[in-house]
Amino acid sequence: SYVVTQAPSVSVAPGQTARLTCGGNNIGDNSVNWYQQKPGQAPVLVVHDDTYRPSGIPERFYGSNSGNTATLTIRRVEVGDEADYYCQVCVGSGEVTVVFGGGTKLTVL
Amino acid sequence: QVQLVESGGGLVKPGGSLRLSCAASGFTFSDYFMTWVRQAPGKGLEWVSYISGSGAFTNYADSLKGRFTISRNNADNSLYLQMTDLRADDTAIYYCARDTYLGSGSGSHAFDYWGQGTPVSVSS
Repeated sequence: SYVVTQAPSVSVAPGQTARLTCGGNNIGDNSVNWYQQKPGQAPVLVVHDDTYRPSGIPERFYGSNSGNTATLTIRRVEVGDEADYYCQVCVGSGEVTVVFGGGTKLTVL
Repeated sequence: QVQLVESGGGLVKPGGSLRLSCAASGFTFSDYFMTWVRQAPGKGLEWVSYISGSGAFTNYADSLKGRFTISRNNADNSLYLQMTDLRADDTAIYYCARDTYLGSGSGSHAFDYWGQGTPVSVSS
């Protein structure tokens, strides 16, 4: 089965740039989606299909995907961005399987 | 506005069964794939299953095939998850979510609206 790897935690100061990575074998060949989840809340889609932001998601959130790594970049990090972030990959054609990464806890110092 | 409201969770003994429901509103339900995702206490997200808009096509996480069945009733905008032979490690919050996949290889399975989840606890 396809394995998706995320760092357990990332820390960044307010105003700085956070880069959250999602690793997988040739992940660049698959679509990657990113979710933000705050404690006690349902996840929120922040980037879909590698680079697209749903309406209402700030331009500070930026996605990229190439080779074996997909990256969610959050520019000008705010205290309110502190959350768990999950990448999600769609694998295969025809019968597509959905795989989540283990999540990264973003701490804003 | 899009709303998804799950129900049916609760405490069940190992080996038991449970049927979760998700009531959808604010969009044309039959136009969309729908998905179930679960989250064990203190753990990450785990995809469970998705179903096409017509209900004709379904897919499941390998570890759950044979025990869980997804279905839908487009007449009353409802999504279901029938769970059987439940085990302690099925304990989780179960979320239903709207799936953006358009079918025929168009787009990806991204989940743009989520319910608040219904908790399932499997314990003797």
